[in-house]
Amino acid sequence: AQKITQTQPGMFVQEKEAVTLDCTYDTSDQSYGLFWYKQPSSGEMIFLIYQGSYDEQNATEGRYSLNFQKARKSANLVISASQLGDSAMYFCAMREVMNRDDKIIFGKGTRLHILP
Amino acid sequence: GAGVSQSPRYKVAKRGQDVALRCDPISGHVSLFWYQQALGQGPEFLTYFQNEAQLDKSGLPSDRFFAERPEGSVSTLKIQRTQQEDSAVYLCASSPDTTGTLTYEQYFGPGTRLTVT
Repeated sequence: AQKITQTQPGMFVQEKEAVTLDCTYDTSDQSYGLFWYKQPSSGEMIFLIYQGSYDEQNATEGRYSLNFQKARKSANLVISASQLGDSAMYFCAMREVMNRDDKIIFGKGTRLHILP
Repeated sequence: GAGVSQSPRYKVAKRGQDVALRCDPISGHVSLFWYQQALGQGPEFLTYFQNEAQLDKSGLPSDRFFAERPEGSVSTLKIQRTQQEDSAVYLCASSPDTTGTLTYEQYFGPGTRLTVT
């Protein structure tokens, strides 16, 4: 079973609109971390935002916020006032730390296109 | 400060050749990770080091893949007898000591694009 599911392969959004990128995850751990990364066409992975499983408030970083619904195992990324430069692939990822194992599992990504 | 660097950025190999991909992590970062990213897909975990110890190599797709980090800093991913299905971007990431913590993001290098012809 996939641990990270991103159901939107691609999205088209008008500039200045808000956009929500969906992410659901699967874990039996109580302690885990959730991340969103942006990957522009140049290929580098850019860290956007982090949410810990014990954090009571939704994480925010500038125009990015994470809509964390723990009971639903959902961690959607919200980008407010989208800009042309937001066009990129977006990956949701989860980190589980079990014993000495430490890895980040990525979803398949959503390609976001911002239209002028 | 300097970020994670990888070399070469691009590598074309004939099927059957051996290749070596290098990763220089951020200075002082204890953890180092290798990922394989096929075209249009998310990164897939390959292996993980904490200092020089390879703690998880469960993602290596075959025994043709080998990674090392002998002095706990620079790491090399070696692929022997390359096959066409090995064509992908190989990403390296590093992070500070993450033992028992969840909060540190991984800092990624620019990747090495490997094309096997």
